[in-house]
Amino acid sequence: GEDVEQSLFLSVREGDSSVINCTYTDSSSTYLYWYKQEPGAGLQLLTYIFSNMDMKQDQRLTVLLNKKDKHLSLRIADTQTGDSAIYFCAAGGSQGNLIFGKGTKLSVKP
Amino acid sequence: EAGVVQSPRYKIIEKKQPVAFWCNPISGHNTLYWYLQNLGQGPELLIRYENEEAVDDSQLPKDRFSAERLKGVDSTLKIQPAELGDSAVYLCASSLEGVGTQYFGPGTRLLVL
Repeated sequence: GEDVEQSLFLSVREGDSSVINCTYTDSSSTYLYWYKQEPGAGLQLLTYIFSNMDMKQDQRLTVLLNKKDKHLSLRIADTQTGDSAIYFCAAGGSQGNLIFGKGTKLSVKP
Repeated sequence: EAGVVQSPRYKIIEKKQPVAFWCNPISGHNTLYWYLQNLGQGPELLIRYENEEAVDDSQLPKDRFSAERLKGVDSTLKIQPAELGDSAVYLCASSLEGVGTQYFGPGTRLLVL
C-alpha cells in the first residue's frame, strides 16, 4: 500500500534553518501537507502544496516538492524554541484520504 | 470560527468496559474523519463520513468499534469492549469536502487499564 517515510529526529540550534524531509510512494497524490503536533495537542495544519507546484513559501516556511523523486521537504527559517514539536508529512490522494508519516521530532537548542 | 471540538480530552477505563468519544466538526464541513494515533506513530484513518454516510470504514475493527453521524454533523465513536491495546489518541478531523484540507481536533487520549 501507500507509504510515507520521514526521518525520526532532527536537532538544530536556535536561529539556524531546519529542513525536514519526506518521501512518499503514491504517485497519484494530489496534495501534500505538513502538520505540526505539540505535546498533548492535536495536529495543526502548517502548509500544503499541490502536486503541480514545485515550491511554496509562507513566511518562515518553504516547501519544496520533487514530484519525479516523490520527495517533499519543509524548511523552517530562523528556527525558534517554539518550533520544537513533531512534524508530520501527509500525502493525499484523489479519494481524499491522507497517508501520514511517523513524524519527525524537531528539537531546538538555545 | 470554532475549530473541531472533541470530548472528553482524557479517558481512563478498565479493560472490557465500553467507551465513547464525541466530535463536533467545523461548521459547514461535510466530511468527517476519525483517526487512531498510537504512540510514536502518525494518525491512521479509521472511518470517513460524507455527510451521514460512512464512505470508507475499511480500517475500522468492526467487532468492537462502531461509529455514527446521524444528522450529518456531530459524530460518536464507540469501543465495546475496550482492550489494553486500544490505549491511544483518537483524533477527529473535518474538511469542507472529500478532497479538501483536513483540520484536526485536539484528540481524546484513552488509557485502558
